[in-house]
Amino acid sequence: ETGVTQSPTHLIKTRGQQVTLRCSSQSGHNTVSWYQQALGQGPQFIFQYYREEENGRGNFPPRFSGLQFPNYSSELNVNALELDDSALYLCASSLDRGLSEAFFGQGTRLTVV
Amino acid sequence: DQQVKQNSPSLSVQEGRISILNCDYTNSMFDYFLWYKKYPAEGPTFLISISSIKDKNEDGRFTVFLNKSAKHLSLHIVPSQPGDSAVYFCAASAQGGSEKLVFGKGMKLTVNP
Repeated sequence: ETGVTQSPTHLIKTRGQQVTLRCSSQSGHNTVSWYQQALGQGPQFIFQYYREEENGRGNFPPRFSGLQFPNYSSELNVNALELDDSALYLCASSLDRGLSEAFFGQGTRLTVV
Repeated sequence: DQQVKQNSPSLSVQEGRISILNCDYTNSMFDYFLWYKKYPAEGPTFLISISSIKDKNEDGRFTVFLNKSAKHLSLHIVPSQPGDSAVYFCAASAQGGSEKLVFGKGMKLTVNP
């Protein structure tokens, strides 16, 4: 039990649609990162938020966007879904930037058909 | 371009023996390395880490070795237990901690009773 919860656990969307995935971090954790894990691959960094501001982005297009809220929750939004967006989406929260450990949620399995 | 490589997709060992999981990296800017364990339907769980200023870090049955000149690290599990059966990910950061992690593809470890 990491104290990081994600919703929903599974989701099926149609190509071209938009999706919002949610993450609830541990209280006090002001850093949240999102990762995409395709089948047979390791997690790939999408972006990080620190105190509600984007603080770094991986190699993902602008249709991947995020929000972080003062209540330690966050969202990952994906517009214009493509078949290749089908993956496990993981959020990870940590107390602060730097050496603090990152705790992962169980992930949201997104299937785009 | 795979910056973190786990070249063996799977490993099977007998209970009580040593498990050695290997990882290679290409980016000289990486200064912090982590191992995560992942069970099905769960998010990755932090196992052990090592800073680039060290060459060894030990935590109970788990030891991580870092060879910077070879850009290689390994995780040793002694003695291996059936509960260690999981997918293990090697990850690296150029931020000095758990930020913006770059993951390998993972290795499935099976420990047989």
